[in-house]
Parts: sequence; C-alpha cells; structure tokens
Amino acid sequence: GQQVMQIPQYQHVQEGEDFTTYCNSSTTLSNIQWYKQRPGGHPVFLIQLVKSGEVKKQKRLTFQFGEAKKNSSLHITATQTTDVGTYFCAGRLSSGSARQLTFGSGTQLTVLP
Amino acid sequence: GAVVSQHPSRVICKSGTSVKIECRSLDFQATTMFWYRQFPKQSLMLMATSNEGSKATYEQGVEKDKFLINHASLTLSTLTVTSAHPEDSSFYICSARADFGEQFFGPGTRLTVL
Repeated sequence: GQQVMQIPQYQHVQEGEDFTTYCNSSTTLSNIQWYKQRPGGHPVFLIQLVKSGEVKKQKRLTFQFGEAKKNSSLHITATQTTDVGTYFCAGRLSSGSARQLTFGSGTQLTVLP
Repeated sequence: GAVVSQHPSRVICKSGTSVKIECRSLDFQATTMFWYRQFPKQSLMLMATSNEGSKATYEQGVEKDKFLINHASLTLSTLTVTSAHPEDSSFYICSARADFGEQFFGPGTRLTVL
C-alpha cells in the first residue's frame, strides 16, 4: 500500500534557527497537505499543495511540492517557541478510489529559548 | 475554518464496557467522515472511512465488529468501541469533509481503559 515517510522524527533547534522537515511518498500524489499538532491538541490544517513544483509561503513557513509529486518539504525560517509541535504531511493518491489521506510519521519540533 | 466537535473529550472506563464517541460537523455537511487513532508520539492511523447512509469502509487490521461506526446524518458520525480493553486506550480523532473539500479535524477523544 501507499507509504508516506517523513524525516526527521525529532528535531531540536535553538530559537532563531531554521527548521526543515521532509516528506516522501512511494507513489505519486494528487495533492499533499501539511498539518501542525500542538502537544495535547489535534491536527490543524496548514496548507495544501496540488501542482508539480509548487511553492507556497505563509509568513516564515515555506512549503514545496516536488516536480514528480512524490515529495514535499516544510521549511520554517527563524523558529520561535510558538512553532513547537509535531508537523505532519498527508498525501492523497493520484489514482484509484482512495480518497483518504495517508499521514506521514510526523516530525516533532522542539524550540529551545 | 469549519468546526468539527467531538464528544466526549476524555473518557475513562472499565475493561469490558462499551464507549461511544460522537463526531459532529457544526457548520457544514460532511459527506465523508474519517476516524483515526493516534498512539503517543505516533502518527494518525486511519481506522475507517464512512459516508452518510452507507456502511463504513475499514482499513486492514481494524475489526469492524469491535469499532462500530454509524454515519446517521450529514453532520453526525459515531464510533463505538465495544468491549473495550486496555490495549484500546488511545487518542481517537475524527475528521469531516464536504465533497472534494478540505478535511477538518475534531479535537479528539482520549480513551483510557482500566
């Protein structure tokens, strides 16, 4: 079945440093979504990428979708303590009847003040 | 964004009892609802997908007789964990989606089975 791998599993950074998490799918995706889950909370939708090579920005967050639509990345510039949480990517297959999202394993970000 | 509610937010029960979790889309009609479980420090694992008025589609390895899903209306889905055991303790999260739309997640239900 479809697999979505995400690395790293954990990342500790000093406040002000940059952070990147990478997501790779074993199959081509129709779109990929990114979520943030704060400790004790539920996943909150951040963004959806649909087009090959797409790049979207939200303030200090930059999201990329690979040309082959099989990988994606989330980059945070100058992290802040409010960025703490687990970041999940979630991909949706480009073919077949499956309409559900397959979640990556997540990257748990700790920002040290 | 759209709001999805879940009730209860936390439940503690004795082994062998059944627990019902409700998931409601508050300001939109959800043609599809999804149920996930999440173990500590792990990712969300899809348990089942349900469409209003039809039987849920369960993922491989999820026992449909143990995790009963009812999607009675376009705004309500329920998950019943029957004869719960300690290994069923987990964080259960539902999400709801209008047709081809964005998925919105509920706040989750933390189940602890003693």
